Amino acid sequence: EVQLVESGGGLVQPGGSLRLSCAASGFTFSTYSLNWVRQAPGKGLEWVSYISSSSSTIHYADSVKGRFTISRDNAKNSLYLQMNSLRDEDTAVYYCATKYSGSPAFDYWGQGTLVTVSS
Amino acid sequence: QTVVTQETSFSVSPGGTVTLTCGLSSGSVSTSYYPSWYQQTPGQAPRTLIYSTNTRSSGVPDRFSGSILGNKAALTITGAQADDESDYYCVLYMGSGSWVFGGGTKLTVL
Repeated sequence: EVQLVESGGGLVQPGGSLRLSCAASGFTFSTYSLNWVRQAPGKGLEWVSYISSSSSTIHYADSVKGRFTISRDNAKNSLYLQMNSLRDEDTAVYYCATKYSGSPAFDYWGQGTLVTVSS
Repeated sequence: QTVVTQETSFSVSPGGTVTLTCGLSSGSVSTSYYPSWYQQTPGQAPRTLIYSTNTRSSGVPDRFSGSILGNKAALTITGAQADDESDYYCVLYMGSGSWVFGGGTKLTVL
């Protein structure tokens, strides 16, 4: 059974940093591209970042470019999101999601971790 | 800036058919955008329904179908059931490893 479990969320002050993790199991992690998608309270989904299976290709939404860094450790079956210079508008539930191998769409999703940016 | 448009809300009777759409603020949606659809109930993670315009994700019943209708992507639910009451999101692939979600449609079954 595919499982994606996010962790690392919490309350942080504006300007602060946080590192999210996504632990994967039930599939061959090293062969899948991955994404972070977020959802502000009461709002819709927003794609945040993408990383290819080998980490050779990385993309960010304009809203987080220069502040967030996506990475992965295939030996540990883990995905990360380092978030710096956090703003109020970064408050959201952050989901990790696999990408279909043959299509640019999201396949499996984790349950999400809540990040709250507030003073 | 690219805006993906969806109906804010929609209502369908149990057993009825409803078509939700996904458009672009400027231009037409085609299969080149690989439209995909996701279902989300409050407090839960999204569930993938349709990808690459019309391919159902594993385990998704065939009463969910995807298509291109005119200049928009469409999700059709045939024989709506009470537990189809959810938020539905489409997302378009913009190329160069970026995606844009629509604002979501809140579907009520009553």
